Amino acid sequence: GAGVSQSPRYKVAKRGQDVALRCDPISGHVSLFWYQQALGQGPEFLTYFQNEAQLDKSGLPSDRFFAERPEGSVSTLKIQRTQQEDSAVYLCASSLVGQPQHFGDGTRLSIL
Amino acid sequence: DAKTTQPPSMDCAEGRAANLPCNHSTISGNEYVYWYRQIHSQGPQYIIHGLKNNETNEMASLIITEDRKSSTLILPHATLRDTAVYYCIVRVRGETSGSRLTFGEGTQLTVNP
Repeated sequence: GAGVSQSPRYKVAKRGQDVALRCDPISGHVSLFWYQQALGQGPEFLTYFQNEAQLDKSGLPSDRFFAERPEGSVSTLKIQRTQQEDSAVYLCASSLVGQPQHFGDGTRLSIL
Repeated sequence: DAKTTQPPSMDCAEGRAANLPCNHSTISGNEYVYWYRQIHSQGPQYIIHGLKNNETNEMASLIITEDRKSSTLILPHATLRDTAVYYCIVRVRGETSGSRLTFGEGTQLTVNP
C-alpha cells in the first residue's frame, strides 16, 4: 500500500512480557517517528530516526523502551517487561525531511 | 515549539462551513502553523500548513492573522466524515531538532446531520 503500515493492529500482553511493534514507512521516506497516545489524549513523541540513525530518543519514558531501524526502512519499537501504564496506542509516522508527517493507524497495546 | 490554545469542542451542521480557531500568541518568526485531524481509531491525518500567508488545498483553508498570533482552519462544506479531533500545532519546519510534533488537546468537531 501507499501509506504507513503498522502491525499488529492490536496486541494484548501480560504484565512482564516483552512486546515488539512494527512500522513499515512510506517508501523513500527518510524520517520516521514513534508516538504514544494514551486514551483521550493527544499523541506524545517518543523517538525519531533519520535513515538508520536515531537522532532523538528523548521521549522514551524508560529504559524498557527501545527502538531500532537497522536498514533505514522498517522500524521496530520494543517494550521489555511491560507494565500496565504502557497500555496505549503506539503510532508511527514517516516523512521526507522537513515535510509533513504521515501516520499509520497505530497498534493498540493492552497490558493485562 | 510554541504552545497553542484551542476550544475543546465545537459543533457544525452538515453542509455548513466549520471554522476552527487556534491561538498561538508566542509563535516565533520561523515557526509554521500545522493542522492535523484524527478520526476515531485512526492515526492523525495531515490537513494543511502555512507560515504567514493564507493557504488553501483540496481539504481546507488556513487563515493566519497578520500578527500571526492566531489562525482559523476552515472546512468549507462540512460532512459527517469530518467529525474528528482537530489539532493545531506550531513547529519549526525543516530542521532536525524541530521535527517532532507536539500535540495539545485539540478540538473535537462534531458534524451533525
